[in-house]
Amino acid sequence: QVQLQESGPGLVRPSETLSLTCTVSGGSISGYHWTWFRQSPEKGLEWIGYIYQSGSVNYNPSLESRVTISMDTSKNQLSLKVSSVTAADTAVYYCARKDGDLWGRGTLVTVSS
Amino acid sequence: EVVLRQSPDTLSLSPGERATLSCRASQSVNINYLAWHQQKPGQAPRLLIYGTSYRASGIPDRFSGRGSGTDFALTISRLEPDDFAVYYCHQYGTSPYTFGQGTKLEIK
Repeated sequence: QVQLQESGPGLVRPSETLSLTCTVSGGSISGYHWTWFRQSPEKGLEWIGYIYQSGSVNYNPSLESRVTISMDTSKNQLSLKVSSVTAADTAVYYCARKDGDLWGRGTLVTVSS
Repeated sequence: EVVLRQSPDTLSLSPGERATLSCRASQSVNINYLAWHQQKPGQAPRLLIYGTSYRASGIPDRFSGRGSGTDFALTISRLEPDDFAVYYCHQYGTSPYTFGQGTKLEIK
């Protein structure tokens, strides 16, 4: 069955760029839109944005100036970049199919010097 | 932004009992874009209900959803030990998409 796995550094320094990859296995990334969420004790579950196969994206306005979501269909991967991070970006980051019908296991990213 | 407020924050019930969880929106939500997710400690959320009342694949019929406009509910007809978790409502019809703060369903 289809599985999603997030990967990337668990620790990012303030003001730097957080970069995560989501690898989709057991199925094609094509034909769906894909979403990034995050979860923290302070903000709860938060929608970051999504990307369609066409490359069309939609971001949460609260993050739009710092977020980039992209897709590599040849690798069956999604990516997330969040620039100029602060401690408020510390969270578990999840990738998901469509609007959340299938989620990855999540990866904790801590922003700290 | 559509604010979703869930109630109660914590619900204490026993296995076999019926649970009803509420989700109220600050403005009308399209019924096609209201979902419920279950999350257990250390795990990712799992989709239970989408489109207000449609069960996701593999979800038992003990789970049902209803609602319209600004008021939505998730009902678990007969609680089993595995059902004790945190439940989130989620609207994905109006950007930015938003979640409720969660209802913790705990064993009494």
